[in-house]
Amino acid sequence: AQTVTQSQPEMSVQEAETVTLSCTYDTSESDYYLFWYKQPPSRQMILVIRQEAYKQQNATENRFSVNFQKAAKSFSLKISDSQLGDAAMYFCAYSRSEYGNKLVFGAGTILRVKS
Amino acid sequence: GAVVSQHPSRVICKSGTSVKIECRSLDFQATTMFWYRQFPKQSLMLMATSNEGSKATYEQGVEKDKFLINHASLTLSTLTVTSAHPEDSSFYICSARRPYHYEQYFGPGTRLTVT
Repeated sequence: AQTVTQSQPEMSVQEAETVTLSCTYDTSESDYYLFWYKQPPSRQMILVIRQEAYKQQNATENRFSVNFQKAAKSFSLKISDSQLGDAAMYFCAYSRSEYGNKLVFGAGTILRVKS
Repeated sequence: GAVVSQHPSRVICKSGTSVKIECRSLDFQATTMFWYRQFPKQSLMLMATSNEGSKATYEQGVEKDKFLINHASLTLSTLTVTSAHPEDSSFYICSARRPYHYEQYFGPGTRLTVT
């Protein structure tokens, strides 16, 4: 079975600085999808970024980028120029490539942003 | 686009009664919907996968007779907690997936309190 591990229960970053959240996963599949979701205090889950395993290029979305290391099964999220609104719980998630397949979530990392 | 709503956002019910939670995809048709349960500061736990027109697939350990899921249309899935008890108090989140897409779009969640 696939598993997702987030080893950092909490992280802190100073406003305008850069922070990296770690995620590792375990799978025997060669084709799959990886996601980072943000859950702010409102508890609404928001998709931050996605990465297809067959793509070597790391995904980027404005201030958010990933470092995808397929061989190492690592998928870290870098947040640049951190803002107060980035404070949230961040979940790394894995999905097999079949349509309709379920997400496997990590335990989450609470990100605190200091002003 | 890709908006998912849940109703109600909060519900309080007495022990032994049943409560229904609705999940709607507002601007797309969702062939697959998912139901999660989340405890404070914890990850999302998948309860079941719901496909339109067919029976839901429950995760191991989830009581089918207690958590009734119906996906009667391409835009609506319901979760009914039957004979609720205080230990069923939790935050319930649904998500929906567009056909031929991998991302899940999440509803805002429903906080259930059983007294």
